[in-house]
Amino acid sequence: QKEVEQDPGPLSVPEGAIVSLNCTYSNSAFQYFMWYRQYSRKGPELLMYTYSSGNKEDGRFTAQVDKSSKYISLFIRDSQPSDSATYLCAMSGGNTGNQFYFGTGTSLTVIP
Amino acid sequence: GAVVSQHPSRVICKSGTSVKIECRSLDFQATTMFWYRQFPKKSLMLMATSNEGSKATYEQGVEKDKFLINHASLTLSTLTVTSAHPEDSSFYICSADRQGGEQYFGPGTRLTVT
Repeated sequence: QKEVEQDPGPLSVPEGAIVSLNCTYSNSAFQYFMWYRQYSRKGPELLMYTYSSGNKEDGRFTAQVDKSSKYISLFIRDSQPSDSATYLCAMSGGNTGNQFYFGTGTSLTVIP
Repeated sequence: GAVVSQHPSRVICKSGTSVKIECRSLDFQATTMFWYRQFPKKSLMLMATSNEGSKATYEQGVEKDKFLINHASLTLSTLTVTSAHPEDSSFYICSADRQGGEQYFGPGTRLTVT
């Protein structure tokens, strides 16, 4: 079983839709949860960073962590064509030290 | 957010030559930096963990004599691909570990070996 599972998509939505991206994980020791956005041929860009369980909101983006279910989500409200990218979840902490474990990434296209 | 730079952004080299890629954390000190490789439409593959002042820790299957890593200071790590071959062509990305658990990525280096 992989440490982190993420549906690779691709996911296509119309402009203005609410997008839900998810990851599940197996290591209950993870404490830090991140979402990265990666445009084609660019390095990943940190979008959201959450410690432990709970919600975090930043503009149109909301990150949720449910440690009891080992499930994290990223919601994008009022999606824009500029949101079209690959979204990677990542996590670390506990017995993994500072090594990060990544999902495979979900490719998102927002259609104007 | 924090800034990590990589140089060069793109390099084309002939088979058998060596290529050095630099990774710098511009506005914070990073005791730990990571080097990743990314194939098209694939996730990041961790190659090695680079700790300032000590030897890098390589992931299983990554040849340490081929991918030389030097973390000379708290703001600079270098990856040298020695005797490059076409199969080494890839997108190489570094990241720097900022205190507090956040990891910031460089923009990546596209290596093409002809």
